[in-house]
Amino acid sequence: AQSVTQLGSHVSVSEGALVLLRCNYSSSVPPYLFWYVQYPNQGLQLLLKYTTGATLVKGINGFEAEFKKSETSFHLTKPSAHMSDAAEYFCAVTSPGYSTLTFGKGTMLLVSP
Amino acid sequence: GAVVSQHPSWVICKSGTSVKIECRSLDFQATTMFWYRQFPKQSLMLMATSNEGSKATYEQGVEKDKFLINHASLTLSTLTVTSAHPEDSSFYICSAERGGGNSPLHFGNGTRLTVT
Repeated sequence: AQSVTQLGSHVSVSEGALVLLRCNYSSSVPPYLFWYVQYPNQGLQLLLKYTTGATLVKGINGFEAEFKKSETSFHLTKPSAHMSDAAEYFCAVTSPGYSTLTFGKGTMLLVSP
Repeated sequence: GAVVSQHPSWVICKSGTSVKIECRSLDFQATTMFWYRQFPKQSLMLMATSNEGSKATYEQGVEKDKFLINHASLTLSTLTVTSAHPEDSSFYICSAERGGGNSPLHFGNGTRLTVT
């Protein structure tokens, strides 16, 4: 079985500050990891994904995440927050060959001017 | 642009009625689509996996007779909430996989169902 833990249901940052959203996973097989963003009353948009290869992955909107196997983590970062980044972010895990995602509970990112 | 279209985006219905939600893959064929349910301020919970031409696979605890899934073609899956009750009010999201295994899932924009 797989699981995802997102630390912090809410994260508040000032515009221009570093964004760090934490994600830890549990998986008995090599994981495939994803970050999605959800704006109010909308579906999910893929930010970035890790499957194999380089452990630092870059996504859209300036976000990036680093897969750390030893820490079973896949934290999402952005050097400088923008007001438009305010949304809910979900970390998800699956296994090679499977399409079913297991989601974390989500982290709401609040950006203040 | 959007590759998965979900319709309607919101619907209000009375208790006891049925509501159908459509999920379409716009420019690719999806042999497998997924239906999720999201409660307010919570994560997405997988309800069922919809397989084209065969019966859907439901997650534990999901009533298959209440949430009817039909995947009649490679581009369309429907979720029908039968005899809706207020507790069925939720945000329903579908997703489809583009290409082979491990391709990122594309999500529809969701359907807000309110049962009065």
